[in-house]
Amino acid sequence: GAVVSQHPSWVICKSGTSVKIECRSLDFQATTMFWYRQFPKQSLMLMATSNEGSKATYEQGVEKDKFLINHASLTLSTLTVTSAHPEDSSFYICSVGDGYSYEQYFGPGTRLTVT
Amino acid sequence: KNQVEQSPQSLIILEGKNCTLQCNYTVSPFSNLRWYKQDTGRGPVSLTIMTFSENTKSNGRYTATLDADTKQSSLHITASQLSDSASYICVVSLNTGGFKTIFGAGTRLFVKA
Repeated sequence: GAVVSQHPSWVICKSGTSVKIECRSLDFQATTMFWYRQFPKQSLMLMATSNEGSKATYEQGVEKDKFLINHASLTLSTLTVTSAHPEDSSFYICSVGDGYSYEQYFGPGTRLTVT
Repeated sequence: KNQVEQSPQSLIILEGKNCTLQCNYTVSPFSNLRWYKQDTGRGPVSLTIMTFSENTKSNGRYTATLDADTKQSSLHITASQLSDSASYICVVSLNTGGFKTIFGAGTRLFVKA
């Protein structure tokens, strides 16, 4: 399967600032990537589908102006949390989608804490 | 409504013991069912994947079963180890030609020495 990395693995930022999270597909050209958010003791919740070279598709209830997604290449997607607030503190996980098998390969996650 | 329900919500077992986790789904049209292991603070890692025609799939000490008629799946862990402590997530994909998936809430397993 694809090897997926995320950077940073954890980040602490102050309320009102923006933070960027990178998701890289190290050995697989990913036209489709996904961004998930996971709160403690809950399962993954899909935030958006990121398509290379086009605009992301956001799930209902996810503010696209707050969670900016850029998928400029086949190996990199970024999620920028703008004007972060403490309620944005969560575990953010990306995945790479295989368009043939429709398998998803998950990254290790990024822990965001907003103070 | 497409749903995936897992039970129990959490489970504590002693090292060396076996356990079985359950997953019931009401997903249509069904494509496949996957079990993932998620260690705390890490991303999910795939354990098994089963399509409609597969009844059982093993991966080391993990054995998954699927009954497509009753829409139930189980994950059996044999001779549990401390490193098995994690969340186990059942994920069902829809056969709609894309990546549409439904995640279960997961079962948190604690293996004690």
